[in-house]
Amino acid sequence: GQNIDQPTEMTATEGAIVQINCTYQTSGFNGLFWYQQHAGEAPTFLSYNVLDGLEEKGRFSSFLSRSKGYSYLLLKELQMKDSASYLCAVRDQYGNKLVFGAGTILRVKS
Amino acid sequence: DTEVTQTPKHLVMGMTNKKSLKCEQHMGHRAMYWYKQKAKKPPELMFVYSYEKLSINESVPSRFSPECPNSSLLNLHLHALQPEDSALYLCASSQDRGGLATTDTQYFGPGTRLTVL
Repeated sequence: GQNIDQPTEMTATEGAIVQINCTYQTSGFNGLFWYQQHAGEAPTFLSYNVLDGLEEKGRFSSFLSRSKGYSYLLLKELQMKDSASYLCAVRDQYGNKLVFGAGTILRVKS
Repeated sequence: DTEVTQTPKHLVMGMTNKKSLKCEQHMGHRAMYWYKQKAKKPPELMFVYSYEKLSINESVPSRFSPECPNSSLLNLHLHALQPEDSALYLCASSQDRGGLATTDTQYFGPGTRLTVL
């Protein structure tokens, strides 16, 4: 079975740092992805983790602990345009199937 | 270039109509996907084509019929849809290098907003 949990909503202030958590219990695992999706638009790729540790990409970082079934996305120096839904997705062991969490709606306020 | 294009952007159809959604990518990707996304919900996988062959069908009703004419194109044929099929239909593609410890990221198109009356 597949179970991916994320908080439903978060609010943070412009310029601050926010951490969005994702926990997963899946029958197979071959990597975890984070996507950003603005309302009415397509998901856009943010980051990928398959090994434990931190991956940094500009203002965005993602962390993975496979033994704990846990990941987080860290957004620094928040901007208003970061207001969006953030989707955590786990890839199955065969490589082609992504299972998405319900998404976390992030609201950035000034 | 990580562009996946989809046409049309919006589609309104009656329950007796037949229509098709189209998706195209020129990144040399060999896996292509159809997802359905309802409002405030995550994308749900419908179909996966790998090297132009259907590899995954997530028990989708037969009123949705996928087609992959070549490695760059993916169609979704629609017939006798129901109002509850109204949703954003997303196409995605990835390299499909075997999926073992590779990035093999899925890149999404902008979607077709479908309304069934």
